[in-house]
Amino acid sequence: EPEVTQTPSHQVTQMGQEVILRCVPISNHLYFYWYRQILGQKVEFLVSFYNNEISEKSEIFDDQFSVERPDGSNFTLKIRSTKLEDSAMYFCASSEGTSRDEQYFGPGTRLTVT
Amino acid sequence: RKEVEQDPGPFNVPEGATVAFNCTYSNSASQSFFWYRQDCRKEPKLLMSVYSSGNEDGRFTAQLNRASQYISLLIRDSKLSDSATYLCVVNIDRGGGGADGLTFGKGTHLIIQP
Repeated sequence: EPEVTQTPSHQVTQMGQEVILRCVPISNHLYFYWYRQILGQKVEFLVSFYNNEISEKSEIFDDQFSVERPDGSNFTLKIRSTKLEDSAMYFCASSEGTSRDEQYFGPGTRLTVT
Repeated sequence: RKEVEQDPGPFNVPEGATVAFNCTYSNSASQSFFWYRQDCRKEPKLLMSVYSSGNEDGRFTAQLNRASQYISLLIRDSKLSDSATYLCVVNIDRGGGGADGLTFGKGTHLIIQP
């Protein structure tokens, strides 16, 4: 069964450093998403991506965040200058068609900012 | 008012029992509805979509009441492996024309006891 994959599974970084989180969505899916989950809190939407551009973004997705699809398979989330409050689990998801379709999540990257 | 509200539990239920969860959503522009399950420190896994006509998948039955803005999940003959957090999830059309992200509830924690 096709799966969304993410690397790394755990990333530790110092405050102020840049991090890039990587995702490989399911191959025939067209819509890609990033979500985050701070420990003990609910899953929160960050950004959606379609046709090589951002489709929608939440208020969390400020100028320190960016997304890219550098090639035909990878989808990345970059955080330019990490803050302590960026520590969270970051999930990538993809859906076959529109966002009304079912979204499938990757295993997540646990980001720890020290 | 929270967009998606769930009773956090925990629900402690003996193996073999039937358990029901409810969820309410506040935004009438909600278009698609889902139940996901999340195990501790893992990704949300799609359990089932929820349709107005109600739908069943094995031991799981989901119902949607659009007039009351209410979603339910029923688990029959509960198994130890059903122990998890059950997330009520909606897709809200925010009118931007793009791929809106999912809006998650905080989840209901279920513990099946032997």
